[in-house]
Amino acid sequence: AQSVAQPEDQVNVAEGNPLTVKCTYSVSGNPYLFWYVQYPNRGLQFLLKYITGDNLVKGSYGFEAEFNKSQTSFHLKKPSALVSDSALYFCAVRDSYSGNTPLVFGKGTRLSVIA
Amino acid sequence: GAVVSQHPSRVICKSGTSVKIECRSLDFQATTMFWYRQFPKQSLMLMATSNEGSKATYEQGVEKDKFLINHASLTLSTLTVTSAHPEDSSFYICSAVSGAPNYGYTFGSGTRLTVV
Repeated sequence: AQSVAQPEDQVNVAEGNPLTVKCTYSVSGNPYLFWYVQYPNRGLQFLLKYITGDNLVKGSYGFEAEFNKSQTSFHLKKPSALVSDSALYFCAVRDSYSGNTPLVFGKGTRLSVIA
Repeated sequence: GAVVSQHPSRVICKSGTSVKIECRSLDFQATTMFWYRQFPKQSLMLMATSNEGSKATYEQGVEKDKFLINHASLTLSTLTVTSAHPEDSSFYICSAVSGAPNYGYTFGSGTRLTVV
């Protein structure tokens, strides 16, 4: 079975400081990993994904994530946070063998960037 | 990039009535779409997988007679909440997937359903 853990319900960071939102995963095969952001009463916006290749993935709005197979982690990072980054962030996973199967989501982490 | 349009964005209905939510892939064909439900401050809960031209696959605990899903074309899936009750009030989100090699999962903007 596939699962995702986002250990932090809330992350607070000062504007201009680096931010990290943590994610660990469990899959039976090779993982396909995703990060999405959600603003209030909106759908999910794609930030980045790891399918294969370079472990450091760069995505939208200056976000990046590093795939670490030994630690089964895919933490989301940004060098300098903006107030507009405040939102709900979801990590998601599927394995490589399952065809068009749905993503399994973590519970979400609320990021608050303080001016 | 891929765009998924979901309508309506917000709907209020009376108890006992039915509500239809549409999910369209605008610039790609989606043989598979997913329907999620999200409770306040919680994650997305998968309700069902919708496959074009076949019956939807429902997750355990989701009433298929209450949440009717139709995927009649490669660009449209609909979710109908039948005989709605206040406990059906929630945020519903659809997702369409483009398969290999990109595995792009694109989400609609969501529908806020309020049953009064």
